[in-house]
Amino acid sequence: NAGVTQTPKFQVLKTGQSMTLQCAQDMNHNSMYWYRQDPGMGLRLIYYSASEGTTDKGEVPNGYNVSRLNKREFSLRLESAAPSQTSVYFCASSRRVVGPGELFFGEGSRLTVL
Amino acid sequence: AQTVTQSQPEMSVQEAETVTLSCTYDTSENNYYLFWYKQPPSRQMILVIRQEAYKQQNATENRFSVNFQKAAKSFSLKISDSQLGDTAMYFCAFMKSTGNQFYFGTGTSLTVIP
Repeated sequence: NAGVTQTPKFQVLKTGQSMTLQCAQDMNHNSMYWYRQDPGMGLRLIYYSASEGTTDKGEVPNGYNVSRLNKREFSLRLESAAPSQTSVYFCASSRRVVGPGELFFGEGSRLTVL
Repeated sequence: AQTVTQSQPEMSVQEAETVTLSCTYDTSENNYYLFWYKQPPSRQMILVIRQEAYKQQNATENRFSVNFQKAAKSFSLKISDSQLGDTAMYFCAFMKSTGNQFYFGTGTSLTVIP
């Protein structure tokens, strides 16, 4: 059972470089999310996609773009990386049709921007 | 906006003892869901327990139970018979019944001491 798969797991960038974090889920979930986790700040929502074809900003969207490519895939792009974007990034998905949709998380991607 | 507060950054408990992790939240919603997620050192986030606000009965899952006080906007997690595998970061989370966003607290790092 793959669940939520995100790649890469580790990445080092130089300031100004761009990169895309990929995320795919095989649970036929409607909603997908990108969070960043920083020490002492918990998880903060960057962007989410309630359903295929829609995306919405979360708490900290600046410096990021997303694409909901299809129902399975939701990518996060950093166009011009900054040291403040050094973080651990988590992709998650949720069925969220009726009732409390449990979040299923990927294993995280550790990004360092030098 | 919804806010979730975990006022205990770190806690420790002796193996086999009981520990309670605190969580408070602020919302004007009447219907919502609350969750506790566990993040072990492996980083993979997993759901521990969930509570629907309209249910008065506190949720339980084996050694894990909650004390849900709706009027006080409090949602604490009790871990009984603590085991070494319970060592992890624990996050409290909130979701509106009509929404798609999950709001997380800053986490409590729990260490179970042998």
